[in-house]
Amino acid sequence: GQQVMQIPQYQHVQEGEDFTTYCNSSTTLSNIQWYKQRPGGHPVFLIQLVKSGEVKKQKRLTFQFGEAKKNSSLHITATQTTDVGTYFCAGPRDNFNKFYFGSGTKLNVKP
Amino acid sequence: DTAVSQTPKYLVTQMGNDKSIKCEQNLGHDTMYWYKQDSKKFLKIMFSYNNKELIINETVPNRFSPKSPDKAHLNLHINSLELGDSAVYFCASSRQLEYNEQFFGPGTRLTVL
Repeated sequence: GQQVMQIPQYQHVQEGEDFTTYCNSSTTLSNIQWYKQRPGGHPVFLIQLVKSGEVKKQKRLTFQFGEAKKNSSLHITATQTTDVGTYFCAGPRDNFNKFYFGSGTKLNVKP
Repeated sequence: DTAVSQTPKYLVTQMGNDKSIKCEQNLGHDTMYWYKQDSKKFLKIMFSYNNKELIINETVPNRFSPKSPDKAHLNLHINSLELGDSAVYFCASSRQLEYNEQFFGPGTRLTVL
C-alpha cells in the first residue's frame, strides 16, 4: 500500500540555523499537507500543496512539492525556539480524504 | 470557542473495562475522523465519517466502535480495553471529503493499566 516516509526522524539545531524535513511517497500524490504538533499539543494544519513543482512560503517556512508529486519538503530559515515541535506531512489515499501521515520529524531548537 | 472538542482529556482505566471518548465540532464540517497516536508519535487513521456515514474503517479491532449521532458529533467506544490501547486519540474534522485541511481536537490520553 501507499506509504509516506519522512526524514529525518529527529533534528537538533542551534537557534538561527536552518532546518529541512523531507517527505517521500511510494506513489504519486494528488496533494500533500503539512502539520505542526507542539509538545503536548495537537496537529495544526500549516499548508496544502496541490500542483506539481509548487512552492509556497509562510514567513520563514518554505514548502515545496516535487515535480513528480512524490516528494515534498519543508524548510525553515533561521529557526527560533517557537519552531520546536514535530512536523508531519500527510498525503491522501484513494479517492477519500483519508490521509497517510508521515512518521514526523521532531525539531528541537537550542537557544 | 473551541472548534473541535474532546472529552475527557485524560482517561486512566483498568484492562478489560469499557470506555467512551466524545468529540464535537462546531465548524459545520461534513467529515470527522478518529486518529490514534502511539508513544512513537505515529498518527494512524482509525475511522472517518461523512455526514454521519462511516466511509473509512481501517484495520482496527472490532472492540472499537465509532458512533455519529449527528454531523457534529463522533464518539468512540472501546470495549474490553487492552494495554496496547494506551495512546493519545485525536478527533478531527474537515469541511468535505477531499482536499481539505483537518482541524484536530486537543486529544484524549488513554492509559490502560
